[in-house]
Amino acid sequence: DAGITQSPRHKVTETGTPVTLRCHQTENHRYMYWYRQDPGHGLRLIHYSYGVKDTDKGEVSDGYSVSRSKTEDFLLTLESATSSQTSVYFCAIRRGDGNTIYFGEGSWLTVV
Amino acid sequence: QQQVKQSPQSLIVQKGGISIINCAYENTAFDYFPWYQQFPGKGPALLIAIRPDVSEKKEGRFTISFNKSAKQFSLHIMDSQPGDSATYFCAASSLPSNYQLIWGAGTKLIIKP
Repeated sequence: DAGITQSPRHKVTETGTPVTLRCHQTENHRYMYWYRQDPGHGLRLIHYSYGVKDTDKGEVSDGYSVSRSKTEDFLLTLESATSSQTSVYFCAIRRGDGNTIYFGEGSWLTVV
Repeated sequence: QQQVKQSPQSLIVQKGGISIINCAYENTAFDYFPWYQQFPGKGPALLIAIRPDVSEKKEGRFTISFNKSAKQFSLHIMDSQPGDSATYFCAASSLPSNYQLIWGAGTKLIIKP
C-alpha cells in the first residue's frame, strides 16, 4: 500500500462539463503521475509532477490540465469533458528509492 | 524508438503450465524493465523488475529473462495457477529520465483450472 487515494472512484458526467479528479498521497513523494488506461492502449501518461507547482505534459495531455499546490495532492482537470475522455484514470507515485511506480485504485469516468 | 511491443495480446494456459509473455524494445538507453500485474478493478502492481546487467531474475514462480542483444525481455510464470489470471504489462525506462515508464499494451492471461 503506497498510501494513494483517488477520488471520486466512479463518475458519470455530461459532455462539455468540467471534471476534476483528485489524487492524495500520504508519504510525501516528490513524483506523481496521472495515467489513463484504455483497451488496446495500455497505460498512457497524461501529466506528471516533480514537485509543488512543477508539472509537465505526458504523451496524451490535450484536453487535460493539472495542478499541484501541495505535496500530497495532485489534481487532474478535464476542462470540458468529451466522450473520448471516457476512461479509467490512475494516479501513481514514484518512491524516491528507485524506479518503482505505485498506482492508486483508479477512477472510472464515463462521459455521456 | 520509444515503443515497447508486447505479445501476445491474450493468452490461455492450463493450470500447472508455463505462461510466457514477451516484450521487445528499440531504445538501447532503456535500463530498467519492470512487469506489472493488474487484477480487474485494481491498479497495476509491480510484480518483478530487471536491469540489463543480468540475464535472468527469479522471484518464486515468476522469472524475467532478458536478452540485451535481441532487445527483448520476457515473463515466465511457472506452474501457472487460476489466481495468476490477470492482465500483465511490461514497461521500460532509462535514467535519468526515469520519471516516465514506456508501457507495453498488456496481455490478458487466463489460467484454466
